Amino acid sequence: LAKTTQPISMDSYEGQEVNITCSHNNIATNDYITWYQQFPSQGPRFIIQGYKTKVTNEVASLFIPADRKSSTLSLPRVSLSDTAVYYCLVGDAYNQGGKLIFGQGTELSVKP
Amino acid sequence: GAGVSQSPSNKVTEKGKDVELRCDPISGHTALYWYRQRLGQGLEFLIYFQGNSAPDKSGLPSDRFSAERTGESVSTLTIQRTQQEDSAVYLCASSLPDRYQPQHFGDGTRLSIL
Repeated sequence: LAKTTQPISMDSYEGQEVNITCSHNNIATNDYITWYQQFPSQGPRFIIQGYKTKVTNEVASLFIPADRKSSTLSLPRVSLSDTAVYYCLVGDAYNQGGKLIFGQGTELSVKP
Repeated sequence: GAGVSQSPSNKVTEKGKDVELRCDPISGHTALYWYRQRLGQGLEFLIYFQGNSAPDKSGLPSDRFSAERTGESVSTLTIQRTQQEDSAVYLCASSLPDRYQPQHFGDGTRLSIL
């Protein structure tokens, strides 16, 4: 199972772009990269998933370099409501017997 | 549509009692997952069901923990003879059975052992 490393915490201000980088040096050829968001007292929520290059949806963008050993979640123009913990996951639960390593995530604090 | 539902949302019980936690997955999601999350920590994988079968139970912390699923739907996580270290939020997620499908989480059961 691929191990991920991401910053424990980050601070930002409303309206700024936030980039959270995750390292996954031992990513396997077939592994996808998935990001989840978790608010206090709620379960995690899927944000975005990608394999290589760039993926964009209505919430975020995901940048993956050619070597795939890291990925960056980009949140454009954050608001106070983006304050949450963000988890980077690598792998595929379906082929790993359900096991995905969530780690401690990155606690993002957005200030006014 | 309805998301993943977990009950109870909160459970307070005395040390030594048995507790049963319930998860209702999204209809049609044959994959179901249980996690434990201690305060300020990440998610700890407990067990995974594909249909009604759990191919690997090694994530369960001890033999006091068991889980079952029936009708490829509802799942229950049972903790016998609860200990204070069992206090945590227990999260359930479900997904479609295909590769790389995102997991949809419930809001968890907050279990407090006195």
